[in-house]
Amino acid sequence: AQSVTQLGSHVSVSEGALVLLRCNYSSSVPPYLFWYVQYPNQGLQLLLKYTSAATLVKGINGFEAEFKKSETSFHLTKPSAHMSDAAEYFCAVNGGATNKLIFGTGTLLAVQP
Amino acid sequence: DAGVIQSPRHEVTEMGQEVTLRCKPISGHDYLFWYRQTMMRGLELLIYFNNNVPIDDSGMPEDRFSAKMPNASFSTLKIQPSEPRDSAVYFCASSSRDRSSYEQYFGPGTRLTVT
Repeated sequence: AQSVTQLGSHVSVSEGALVLLRCNYSSSVPPYLFWYVQYPNQGLQLLLKYTSAATLVKGINGFEAEFKKSETSFHLTKPSAHMSDAAEYFCAVNGGATNKLIFGTGTLLAVQP
Repeated sequence: DAGVIQSPRHEVTEMGQEVTLRCKPISGHDYLFWYRQTMMRGLELLIYFNNNVPIDDSGMPEDRFSAKMPNASFSTLKIQPSEPRDSAVYFCASSSRDRSSYEQYFGPGTRLTVT
């Protein structure tokens, strides 16, 4: 069965600091992995996705994630946080043979000035 | 493309009233998903359709909830009768059969308040 675990429901960083949001997955099939971002009062927006091509995936707004099969991880990083990055971030994995996605519980990122 | 469209954006209703939420998926997408988001329970998948047919409704909380998709460009989620615990943000999302991606595109959501 597919599942994702996001470590840390709240993460706080200073502006300009490294952002690291953790996601571990479990999948009985080759996984497709996603990071979504949700800004206040908005829907979820796709940040980036891993679809079995390059293991280092670059997304929008300077974010990237690395697929590590040996660690079953897909952590999201950004070298330098910006105030506008404050949002909730969701990791997701495909739900097997269907188009369903299994979402993690989300990580709320706060960026301090 | 206009993206996924949801209406209304905000709905305030009294307990016991019927509520209907509407969704127009992205043209050409053949999967449609309804989610509910609350602080307590996070993001929950309620039901999803493929080619207008409900595939999995195991997330629908109870019989007060029903969803339909009469055609490829329209879906409704109905709550009758509504209760205060139904207060949440309801999202609709759509995706394509293209299995190379599985990515879903979300609408802006409907914020429902039941008093």
